[in-house]
Amino acid sequence: EVQLVESGGGLVKPGGSLRLSCAASGFTFSNAWMSWVRQAPGKGLEWVGRIKSKTDGGTTDYAAPVKGRFTISRDDSKNTLYLQMNSLKTEDTAVYYCTAATPTIYYYGMDVWGQGTTVTVSS
Amino acid sequence: DIQLTQSPSFLSASVGDRVTITCRASQGISSYLAWYQQKPGKAPKLLIYAASTLQSGVPSRFSGSGSGTEFTLTISSLQPEDFATYYCQQLNSYRLTFGGGTKVEIK
Repeated sequence: EVQLVESGGGLVKPGGSLRLSCAASGFTFSNAWMSWVRQAPGKGLEWVGRIKSKTDGGTTDYAAPVKGRFTISRDDSKNTLYLQMNSLKTEDTAVYYCTAATPTIYYYGMDVWGQGTTVTVSS
Repeated sequence: DIQLTQSPSFLSASVGDRVTITCRASQGISSYLAWYQQKPGKAPKLLIYAASTLQSGVPSRFSGSGSGTEFTLTISSLQPEDFATYYCQQLNSYRLTFGGGTKVEIK
């Protein structure tokens, strides 16, 4: 079964840090372009950032609100994606989804989604 | 960043209705557009990619069209399980963006 399972969410104070993980199974993780997408309570979807496959350079891109504070990395040996979040702000409070774009649709969509993990930034 | 504007933001319709949602991009994005469906408390699900390609397993009543700056998602005959929020997403630029969403509710 194709699956993404996020973990690591929780409550953190403003200015704090948190690392999210996303374990992949059922597809060739090393070939996928992986993204994080978040959704604040009652709001729409917001793309956070993406990491390409190593064969496509392993490059990362980030949305403007998180650039310089968040870092996406991957460990293909563990089929795991990470999101390191530093200098957290209250506006980072959201459900964070891990997503995958498998090779046939790299540039055209995200075909695998996790169930999400909740991050709450509050004092 | 490329902005995506969806319209309407809210739509009330009946079972069996034909429904059309529009997504307009602030600049041309060729066919680098996807549509997703999200139900309350659930993760989004890919419906359409490359503007008009139906994702495997998605019912054929869903279709997508358009290129450049204007795109549409059409549901030919609305079913009870289709009441949800729909989002478009552009993947043309290195910074991906989503539209604001269209909530489809039962009339």
